[in-house]
Amino acid sequence: EAGVAQSPRYKIIEKRQSVAFWCNPISGHATLYWYQQILGQGPKLLIQFQNNGVVDDSQLPKDRFSAERLKGVDSTLKIQPAKLEDSAVYLCASSLAVTGFSGNTIYFGEGSWLTVV
Amino acid sequence: SQQGEEDPQALSIQEGENATMNCSYKTSINNLQWYRQNSGRGLVHLILIRSNEREKHSGRLRVTLDTSKKSSSLLITASRAADTASYFCATKGGGSYIPTFGRGTSLIVHP
Repeated sequence: EAGVAQSPRYKIIEKRQSVAFWCNPISGHATLYWYQQILGQGPKLLIQFQNNGVVDDSQLPKDRFSAERLKGVDSTLKIQPAKLEDSAVYLCASSLAVTGFSGNTIYFGEGSWLTVV
Repeated sequence: SQQGEEDPQALSIQEGENATMNCSYKTSINNLQWYRQNSGRGLVHLILIRSNEREKHSGRLRVTLDTSKKSSSLLITASRAADTASYFCATKGGGSYIPTFGRGTSLIVHP
C-alpha cells in the first residue's frame, strides 16, 4: 500500500517569498492533516480536512497560510509571504475517518522541510 | 488544550537495557497513541490504547494507561540501536477530534 506522498522534500526560500507544498494521502482516507513541526518540538496541527471540508483550522495563521483540498483527495498548503519563523517541517498525514471511539491511526508522510532565509 | 507532555525530554541508554518514557495529559481522553520519529523522517504509529484499557503489548513495546493520574508510559524492552528516535504521545478526546502531540522524548541507544 502506498503511503502519504509529499513534495517537495526540501525547499529554501527568502523571506517574503511564497511556497507551496503538495500532499497525496493514502487512497481511501477521508481525513487529511497538515502539521507544522519546528525543530525540537512536537507536531502542531495547522488544518484538518474531512473529505474536502475543513474540520479545524484554528491554529492556521490565515493571514499568510492557506490550504485546500478541492476534490477531497490531494491537498496543497501555501505560505505567502514567508517569515523566518516559518522554517519547519510541514507534515501531511491522513487517516480513515475523523470520528470513532476506536480511534484512527494517523499515517504521516516524510515531510517537506522549509528553510526561510 | 489536550496536549500530552512526554518525560523525560531525553534518554540515553545502552543496547539491551529497557527504556521507559512517560506521557501526561490534562483532560479526559478517548484514546492515546504513541508514535516514533526517526531523524529526518515522518512519524510512525506504534500503538494505540483506549481509555478503557490499562495495558497493551506489541512486540517489545508495552504501553500502560492510568486515567486516574492522566498518564501513560511506553516501555521498550531489550532496546536496540535502531530504536534511537524521538517518541511522541498523541491524545484525542474531551469532545475534540484533534489529535494533539507533545514535545517528545529523544531516545539514544548506544550500541
